[in-house]
Amino acid sequence: KQEVTQIPAALSVPEGENLVLNCSFTDSAIYNLQWFRQDPGKGLTSLLLIQSSQREQTSGRLNASLDKSSGRSTLYIAASQPGDSATYLCAVLTGANSKLTFGKGITLSVRP
Amino acid sequence: EAQVTQNPRYLITVTGKKLTVTCSQNMNHEYMSWYRQDPGLGLRQIYYSMNVEVTDKGDVPEGYKVSRKEKRNFPLILESPSPNQTSLYFCASSFMGANTEAFFGQGTRLTVV
Repeated sequence: KQEVTQIPAALSVPEGENLVLNCSFTDSAIYNLQWFRQDPGKGLTSLLLIQSSQREQTSGRLNASLDKSSGRSTLYIAASQPGDSATYLCAVLTGANSKLTFGKGITLSVRP
Repeated sequence: EAQVTQNPRYLITVTGKKLTVTCSQNMNHEYMSWYRQDPGLGLRQIYYSMNVEVTDKGDVPEGYKVSRKEKRNFPLILESPSPNQTSLYFCASSFMGANTEAFFGQGTRLTVV
């Protein structure tokens, strides 16, 4: 059974800091990995999708990497801003039923 | 605009009163699914559908029903809601296949008293 872990559960950093959010998964037979952002009480916004054959994807200040063999992904946020404060979730797509398995998320707080 | 629309956004109901949460997508996606999100437990899949008239159980299907009569719609039905079904619910859709992006609705906050 696929399990996705995100540690730590919460992170607080000063504005301007570059930071890395980690995600690990137990079964390396994934189709893709997605990073989502969730604001309190709101829906999930897709940030980046990395296909299983890719090593990384970039969008603006965000860069996500994937090491499928070791079961790890990182989301790098450059020059963090207070508006980046949110919960960041990673999810892996596996199996014939196209199931997304989520980590529990990392709640990020960027202090002005 | 490509989107997944859930209704209602907020719902307070009483134990045992049947309710339906609607989900509709305008992207012609084959795959649709329902998740619930609870503190400390994360997002868990309730039911999914790979196409019209094809549905299957996810990880936490007890107490829920779904139907997929049309490609765009995937309602979630709670025949007899109980307080342990108080949660934040999300509908998602995507194309079938290995490298497709999942799109999520804005969520439905359900409280059962």
